[in-house]
Amino acid sequence: GAGVSQSPSNKVTEKGKDVELRCDPISGHTALYWYRQSLGQGLEFLIYFQGNSAPDKSGLPSDRFSAERTGGSVSTLTIQRTQQEDSAVYLCASSLDLAGAGSYEQYFGPGTRLTVT
Amino acid sequence: GQNIDQPTEMTATEGAIVQINCTYQTSGFNGLFWYQQHAGEAPTFLSYNVLDGLEEKGRFSSFLSRSKGYSYLLLKELQMKDSASYLCAVRDVGTGGFKTIFGAGTRLFVKA
Repeated sequence: GAGVSQSPSNKVTEKGKDVELRCDPISGHTALYWYRQSLGQGLEFLIYFQGNSAPDKSGLPSDRFSAERTGGSVSTLTIQRTQQEDSAVYLCASSLDLAGAGSYEQYFGPGTRLTVT
Repeated sequence: GQNIDQPTEMTATEGAIVQINCTYQTSGFNGLFWYQQHAGEAPTFLSYNVLDGLEEKGRFSSFLSRSKGYSYLLLKELQMKDSASYLCAVRDVGTGGFKTIFGAGTRLFVKA
């Protein structure tokens, strides 16, 4: 079947605008993860979902960031009042489970490259 | 807190063997992962270790020592296509549930 998809692939926005990033995980995957990767840097963990629930939101950089997941499938990451430091590639991943053998491999989407001007 | 260290860059020759080290500190260790990331692409899974020892998968092997907070990724018979960043990641289980913490990655250059 299809892999993880993300949209848009690229987003250029003006400072202060809100943006919404979308992730479609692999069908049947209960765990979903959001990461941020700045140029030449490693992945910064933002948040994960088990089903529709996000037990820990402490990885979100500020209260301008929020995420939700509905129907145990699609997730959206919303950034309000964007700042230039929000510019990065936002990666979404999913895994079959959150724990156990089904959690070992996270399948990543192609990412959304966000540029805040 | 959590901390993961790995070398920034390494260079090796086609056909050779290279070992990429990773040291970590975490309070709720629940597994260590290695991912490969080619420039401009998403990371892809290479290996998972939760118990001490060596896991072999084709040309790639990964080793874990939990008591030392240490892992390495061994790449044999290097090919040009192995030029990529290799990300060490640790899953940490705490009061907030599961977190996967990634290191900054090791950029491997394979030369002819």
